[in-house]
Amino acid sequence: RKEVEQDPGPFNVPEGATVAFNCTYSNSASQSFFWYRQDCRKEPKLLMSVYSSGNEDGRFTAQLNRASQYISLLIRDSKLSDSATYLCVVNMGAGNQFYFGTGTSLTVIP
Amino acid sequence: GAVVSQHPSWVICKSGTSVKIECRSLDFQATTMFWYRQFPKQSLMLMATSNEGSKATYEQGVEKDKFLINHASLTLSTLTVTSAHPEDSSFYICSGPVLRPNYGYTFGSGTRLTVV
Repeated sequence: RKEVEQDPGPFNVPEGATVAFNCTYSNSASQSFFWYRQDCRKEPKLLMSVYSSGNEDGRFTAQLNRASQYISLLIRDSKLSDSATYLCVVNMGAGNQFYFGTGTSLTVIP
Repeated sequence: GAVVSQHPSWVICKSGTSVKIECRSLDFQATTMFWYRQFPKQSLMLMATSNEGSKATYEQGVEKDKFLINHASLTLSTLTVTSAHPEDSSFYICSGPVLRPNYGYTFGSGTRLTVV
C-alpha cells in the first residue's frame, strides 16, 4: 500500500465552483500534513499546512481526520488561476522525508 | 526565508556524460537535504537523503554509484548523474528541512534533465 494516495483526477470545474480533494495516508504515526500546489514543470509550493482542528485560508479549507487517516482540501469559488496539480504531503516529523501523493489535477474552465 | 537555490534549471546532455546539479540553502544551514525525482505525471519520489559530512542514504532501487551525492558543507548539496542515459531524463528537485513546524519544507526550483 502506498504511503499516500490521492485521486489523480483530472477535475475539470467551471469558474466559481466548489471542489474538494481527499487524500489518505497509511502510517498512523504521521505527524505533519500539507497541501502543496505544483504548476506544470515547476517545483511544489506550500499551499497550506493541515491542522487537527482544521484550518482555513481565504477560499481554501483543509481538514485532517486522524481516525480515518485522511486529509481534505476544499476550494470555494474556483478561479482560473487555481488550475494546477495539488499534492497531498505527509511527514513523519522534522528532519524526515516527505511522502507525496501522486497529485490531483485541477482545471478551472471559464 | 528558507530559500533553496537549485541550478541548473534545464540541462540537455548526451548519453554517457555526467551532469551535476547543485542545491544551496541561502539563509539557513541544512545538515540534511532530500533529493527527489519526478517522472511525467508521477509523484515525486525520494531518491536519497544527503547528510553533511557523511555518506548519503539511498532509497531502495537507486544506484548510489550512478547518482553521486556530496554534501560537503552546511549550505551545499550536489547530485551528479553519472553516465547519463535517456531513461534518466526526469525532473530532479531538492528540499531542505527547515526547523519551523507546520511551515513545510522549501524546495529548490528543480532541474529538468534531458538526456539525448
